[in-house]
Amino acid sequence: SQQGEEDPQALSIQEGENATMNCSYKTSINNLQWYRQNSGRGLVHLILIRSNEREKHSGRLRVTLDTSKKSSSLLITASRAADTASYFCATDARVSGGYNKLIFGAGTRLAVHP
Amino acid sequence: DGGITQSPKYLFRKEGQNVTLSCEQNLNHDAMYWYRQDPGQGLRLIYYSQIVNDFQKGDIAEGYSVSREKKESFPLTVTSAQKNPTAFYLCASGTPHPLSSYNEQFFGPGTRLTVL
Repeated sequence: SQQGEEDPQALSIQEGENATMNCSYKTSINNLQWYRQNSGRGLVHLILIRSNEREKHSGRLRVTLDTSKKSSSLLITASRAADTASYFCATDARVSGGYNKLIFGAGTRLAVHP
Repeated sequence: DGGITQSPKYLFRKEGQNVTLSCEQNLNHDAMYWYRQDPGQGLRLIYYSQIVNDFQKGDIAEGYSVSREKKESFPLTVTSAQKNPTAFYLCASGTPHPLSSYNEQFFGPGTRLTVL
């Protein structure tokens, strides 16, 4: 079952522009994470935002979280061709033993053109 | 890709054969995970293991089996019962903290399995 749903499915921009990706989810969460995947590679963790946080920054990345709307956004400022990748949001779900597992959305494919 | 490795990178299998995908980590993580990714799709959880000698089914466990005899290793067997095994398989590890709700996962480079 997929909890996070990213929007848009694909995004094409020019270098220097900002890229905004959105993620919506269905149930309450403890935290939400964003990951990046280059074509044919594994995922790399970008940033985690906790349910009691509204905004977080890391370099050119800015993540917001609105728990009332069950949504999050990832903004990449001043994009570069090297930012071309798929971006996934992941929400946690409690499983037996008190541990959490992650549920990933389908991702946004970002293409940044020189 | 950090300290988590997967082998082989590409794997071809004939229909009806079982095949085992390797996943090893040297990050001293307690938990390990197997995901399947189909083209243009997100990740779906196959199996996960929170600790050695214990593992749990994920959302799409049918046709797959795992073992966790060592902390460092979590091999995945794709059996002939898996009807559509051609996909990209990703292994991950992490140290989820039940009290802190923190669950970053570190991913291997993936194995692309093709059934001929």
